[in-house]
Amino acid sequence: QSVLTQPPSASGTPGQRVTISCSGSSSDIGSNTVNWYQHLPGTAPKLLIYNNDQRPSGVPDRFSGSKSGTSASLAISGLQSEDEADYFCAAWDDSQIGLLVFGEGTKLTVL
Amino acid sequence: QVQLQESGPGLVKPSQTLSLTCTVSGGSVTSASYYWTWIRQPAGKGLEWVGRMFMRGSTNYNPSLKSRVTISIDTSKNQFSLNLSSVTAADTAVYYCARLTDFWSANYRMDVWGQGTTVTVSS
Repeated sequence: QSVLTQPPSASGTPGQRVTISCSGSSSDIGSNTVNWYQHLPGTAPKLLIYNNDQRPSGVPDRFSGSKSGTSASLAISGLQSEDEADYFCAAWDDSQIGLLVFGEGTKLTVL
Repeated sequence: QVQLQESGPGLVKPSQTLSLTCTVSGGSVTSASYYWTWIRQPAGKGLEWVGRMFMRGSTNYNPSLKSRVTISIDTSKNQFSLNLSSVTAADTAVYYCARLTDFWSANYRMDVWGQGTTVTVSS
């Protein structure tokens, strides 16, 4: 039951910059901040970005986030092979207290 | 460093109750700073929020699961659990537990996750 819309796939070559979009509505992204997570199958998801553009300690500054209106984006610059993973966005949905909604996820391939 | 580890049966029969436990190490489930959450991911699909619980008893569940789901905390074992009743094949998924921090602010985030556990619903 994904509410946020992400492209299913993205790709780039090493060193390139790629962006992944996340589109929502006025009740989720439009009203709340956005988180981004990186997920490698079989491992625990990793927090990349919170509060739209904040990086936790330890996350390289190659990862950046932004938000405008009801959409958000994750940008990865200086693409590296280890960046190949699934990326998904998340935000609270004000239509229901305590409901977090996610994007379907974007599979990033490093060519 | 806080770590979370899910555990429970990997196979559940249809109509039965799915029960999973998340063991918290390096921290306490009684902390007033966090919600403890469950999230699931069916194969080939996106993540789905199951629900969250605060140590003082406050819970919030996904409306699509609300009639079947219960999250609880066992402070004596430093664990929190998920019970999902009347399961069907649609409940087959990887189930993750996670810690939700700064939940009262714009800085909310799930900063610690378990590795996930696969649950298959099948007879």
